[in-house]
Amino acid sequence: AQSVAQPEDQVNVAEGNPLTVKCTYSVSGNPYLFWYVQYPNRGLQFLLKYITGDNLVKGSYGFEAEFNKSQTSFHLKKPSALVSDSALYFCAVREGRGYNKLIFGAGTRLAVHP
Amino acid sequence: GAGVSQTPSNKVTEKGKYVELRCDPISGHTALYWYRQSLGQGPEFLIYFQGTGAADDSGLPNDRFFAVRPEGSVSTLKIQRTERGDSAVYLCASSLFPRGGLGETQYFGPGTRLLVL
Repeated sequence: AQSVAQPEDQVNVAEGNPLTVKCTYSVSGNPYLFWYVQYPNRGLQFLLKYITGDNLVKGSYGFEAEFNKSQTSFHLKKPSALVSDSALYFCAVREGRGYNKLIFGAGTRLAVHP
Repeated sequence: GAGVSQTPSNKVTEKGKYVELRCDPISGHTALYWYRQSLGQGPEFLIYFQGTGAADDSGLPNDRFFAVRPEGSVSTLKIQRTERGDSAVYLCASSLFPRGGLGETQYFGPGTRLLVL
């Protein structure tokens, strides 16, 4: 069965520093990978996705993610963190056989300090 | 354009009562999904609709949960005989096509926070 792991409950970063939020996955077929962000009392906002092609995917708000098939990882990155990036981040996978449900990780809370 | 909307935003009910949660998907989106997010966890899939029919209801926890989408647009999630363990945020999402060959993006609503006392 497919699964997603986000090994860090929380990531702390100083404003202006680069940030990485980790995600590893397990699927039996080709992975379709997504990152979403959740602000307090709001729904999930789509950031970016990997379907196929370039391993480095660029998304909204300056975020990018790197797909690594050999390590089954899809880490979220940003070169320079902003205080406003502080939120809850979820990695998700959809198995590439037509199944449409997303399997989410438990989430990582990002705290960017001034 | 308008995103996915959900009503009510908050619902407090007593154990044993019946509740209905409504989702209005993005106009033109044919696929609709319900997820449940418990405190401190990621969203968990409940059911997805392709048009009017439930294409996959494997995530519904038991027969107290039921969802409909009679006209292929608005959907209602119905919970009978609510239990305290049903307390969670119920999220709805929609996507343009049910089987997007390039990995169709699901767009989420703000959720309904259900509290069962």
